Amino acid sequence: EAAVTQSPRSKVAVTGGKVTLSCHQTNNHDYMYWYRQDTGHGLRLIHYSYVADSTEKGDIPDGYKASRPSQENFSLILELASLSQTAVYFCASSRDIDERLFFGHGTKLSVL
Amino acid sequence: GEQVEQRPPHLSVREGDSAFIICTYTDSATAYFYWYKQEPGAGLQLLMSVFSNVDRKEEQGLTVLLNKKDKRLSLNLTAAHPGDSAVYFCAVSVGNNNAPRFGAGTKLSVKP
Repeated sequence: EAAVTQSPRSKVAVTGGKVTLSCHQTNNHDYMYWYRQDTGHGLRLIHYSYVADSTEKGDIPDGYKASRPSQENFSLILELASLSQTAVYFCASSRDIDERLFFGHGTKLSVL
Repeated sequence: GEQVEQRPPHLSVREGDSAFIICTYTDSATAYFYWYKQEPGAGLQLLMSVFSNVDRKEEQGLTVLLNKKDKRLSLNLTAAHPGDSAVYFCAVSVGNNNAPRFGAGTKLSVKP
């Protein structure tokens, strides 16, 4: 079974602070994604990547940066965390863009 | 960009009844369609996927219908049981390095 591991599982951050969410996959997948989940909005795409050292903007990239230093690792960076970024963040990977996504367990971020 | 609408947001059925969920999408180039299930505190797991050349697919008590003319995707759970209680998401993709977009989710409750 493909494995996607997110860290931390939960985090409390202060407004204006820097937050880094990490994602590691052992699937040998080229594609990786960051989504955020909010009640009533489902999953919204923040950033994704289909090759190391390159990232693409999703639908809600403002306030977020992404980094793909290797095929296995994909980070989401909030340089100046804001209250509105309180959400659950999911990382996922897939072998190709048209194949199923494998999700991590999510990171619950609370910005106070 | 692609817009995905999913309804209903909440659905409560009795054990043995059917549960029906609909998604509509906007991009006529959409070619890949998915249904995912999310159990409490977990990431999403793929239920079924269909390609655009398929109108109907059935697997293990699940039926997916695709109406490309109306840009509508549906999921029918026949004979639901309490273990089916979860949040269900549709997702669609046009391919070509465009990441999947998700609906807002349907919280299904199956009562004994």
